[in-house]
Amino acid sequence: QKEVEQDPGPLSVPEGAIVSLNCTYSNSAFQYFMWYRQYSRKGPELLMYTYSSGNKEDGRFTAQVDKSSKYISLFIRDSQPSDSATYLCAMSYLTGGGNKLTFGTGTQLKVEL
Amino acid sequence: EAQVTQNPRYLITVTGKKLTVTCSQNMNHEYMSWYRQDPGLGLRQIYYSMNVEVTDKGDVPEGYKVSRKEKRNFPLILESPSPNQTSLYFCASSRWTGSNSPLHFGNGTRLTVT
Repeated sequence: QKEVEQDPGPLSVPEGAIVSLNCTYSNSAFQYFMWYRQYSRKGPELLMYTYSSGNKEDGRFTAQVDKSSKYISLFIRDSQPSDSATYLCAMSYLTGGGNKLTFGTGTQLKVEL
Repeated sequence: EAQVTQNPRYLITVTGKKLTVTCSQNMNHEYMSWYRQDPGLGLRQIYYSMNVEVTDKGDVPEGYKVSRKEKRNFPLILESPSPNQTSLYFCASSRWTGSNSPLHFGNGTRLTVT
């Protein structure tokens, strides 16, 4: 079983829809949770970063962490065609050797006009 | 502009022919890392470096070498490439190795080994 599970999609939604992207994890040591966005032919870029359980909002994006269920989500409100990309969840914990970061496999999102 | 630059963007080579993928960052970051990205497997860490002259293995280091002689550069070396190293490679850097220091990625190098 992978430490981090993410549905690969593809997920296709109409413009203006609310999008929900999710990841589950099995390692309770994970303390920090991130969402990266990756456009085609580009490297991933950090979108959201959270430390604790609960919600964090940034514009149209909301990141949600439920540590008791080992489940994280990213919500995109009023989705736009420019949101079409692959979304990678990532999570980490500190070890003696530094930060141990694990990525999900990514969910491909397409927002259609 | 703050960035991580990888070269080349695309590379086709044959089995056994040594190659180097260069990576340079202009943000004075201490931490640098190499990842490979494969369908269904996601991003997997190959090697990382917490500072100059300090490198360590990630999750999939077999068949790769790295060096960190200068803070800004972190080349990835494949001494004898094999077809199973065909992949999309990303270099990344961050200010330090802490969890609250975001990774900045390059735009990738697509490697094909025939």
